[in-house]
Amino acid sequence: AQSVTQLGSHVSVSEGALVLLRCNYSSSVPPYLFWYVQYPNQGLQLLLKYTTGATLVKGINGFEAEFKKSETSFHLTKPSAHMSDAAEYFCAVTGNTGGFKTIFGAGTRLFVKA
Amino acid sequence: DVKVTQSSRYLVKRTGEKVFLECVQDMDHENMFWYRQDPGLGLRLIYFSYDVKMKEKGDIPEGYSVSREKKERFSLILESASTNQTSMYLCASSSAPSSYYEQFFGPGTRLTVL
Repeated sequence: AQSVTQLGSHVSVSEGALVLLRCNYSSSVPPYLFWYVQYPNQGLQLLLKYTTGATLVKGINGFEAEFKKSETSFHLTKPSAHMSDAAEYFCAVTGNTGGFKTIFGAGTRLFVKA
Repeated sequence: DVKVTQSSRYLVKRTGEKVFLECVQDMDHENMFWYRQDPGLGLRLIYFSYDVKMKEKGDIPEGYSVSREKKERFSLILESASTNQTSMYLCASSSAPSSYYEQFFGPGTRLTVL
């Protein structure tokens, strides 16, 4: 069975500070890992994904995430927060055995202070 | 630009009413999904479909049914709406394995049941 844990339902950073959103997963098969972002009153959109190959993946808006198999983690980072980054972020995992169900974490709401 | 559209952004219904939520995608995707999103719980899968006229229960199917008569359209039906079905409903679609199951989301329907 797969599961996703996002540490911290709310994270607050100052504008220009490092953003770190934590995600740990469990999966009995090699996973595909995703980060999605949801702006107010909108659906989710893909930030980045890990499938195979390079474990450091870069996404849109300056975000990146590193797949660490030994730690079963896929933390999302951005070197310098911008006010426009304020949103809710969801980590998700899909098992790559041919199934297509995706399990989502509970979400982390990011606040950016001026 | 890829698009998933949902028939309503906001909906208010009364207890016991039959409610239809419609979702249409223009990407010729095989897979379609209905989720509900509640604070602190992330996204929970209600039903999904991997082909026309095919459907599978997700994690919380009770009180819901679905219909997929055409590839581009996936409908969620609340047979007899109850107040505990007040939530945000998100539709998504994805392609076959070649896309690593990245999901594309609609803007959501916020349903209130009085």
